[in-house]
Amino acid sequence: DAGVIQSPRHEVTEMGQEVTLRCKPISGHNSLFWYRQTMMRGLELLIYFNNNVPIDDSGMPEDRFSAKMPNASFSTLKIQPSEPRDSAVYFCASRVRGATDTQYFGPGTRLTVL
Amino acid sequence: AQSVTQLGSHVSVSEGALVLLRCNYSSSVPPYLFWYVQYPNQGLQLLLKYTSAATLVKGINGFEAEFKKSETSFHLTKPSAHMSDAAEYFCAVMGVRGNTPLVFGKGTRLSVIA
Repeated sequence: DAGVIQSPRHEVTEMGQEVTLRCKPISGHNSLFWYRQTMMRGLELLIYFNNNVPIDDSGMPEDRFSAKMPNASFSTLKIQPSEPRDSAVYFCASRVRGATDTQYFGPGTRLTVL
Repeated sequence: AQSVTQLGSHVSVSEGALVLLRCNYSSSVPPYLFWYVQYPNQGLQLLLKYTSAATLVKGINGFEAEFKKSETSFHLTKPSAHMSDAAEYFCAVMGVRGNTPLVFGKGTRLSVIA
């Protein structure tokens, strides 16, 4: 199994530009999570989906952030417009539905907004 | 709501010495508890998890953790540190209601000195 796949691995953009981060969860996993990691705030949950349905997006910082999961094998996190304070590493994770199942993380996308 | 507190943002040990990384949890119900490790420029990888079976849990790479309800703790230990153990370690909690995201601590950076 290829694990959770994220693209791109690195993204450098200028303030005001639209950024789209992509995630392919592990096949058969039906829960997907987006996290953001920064030195100041650590790992923050942004949003999560169960069976492609957004369950809790209370961690999304503001309206500039949006996430979709059109099918079981693909999700996007979009920032429009981007700002320098959005610079962080964004992780996608997936899990089989169930409390004791392991949550598997992707390698992350390092976003730099100039 | 569940939460975890990791005591010490940075721990430094000598190679061959005992590793002890502290984690205390706060939960209104018996929790599920996890330790993850993050190597530089990588995603998080599960070390071990407690899911209400044995209170002493053994994980990968020689790590283990003991669930102590009376102390609300889940400290991570390894008898003898190796240079390859240098990484960031995260404690996480999830309520037994199930299928909810992990809530992570701030992380502890472990340095191993030769």
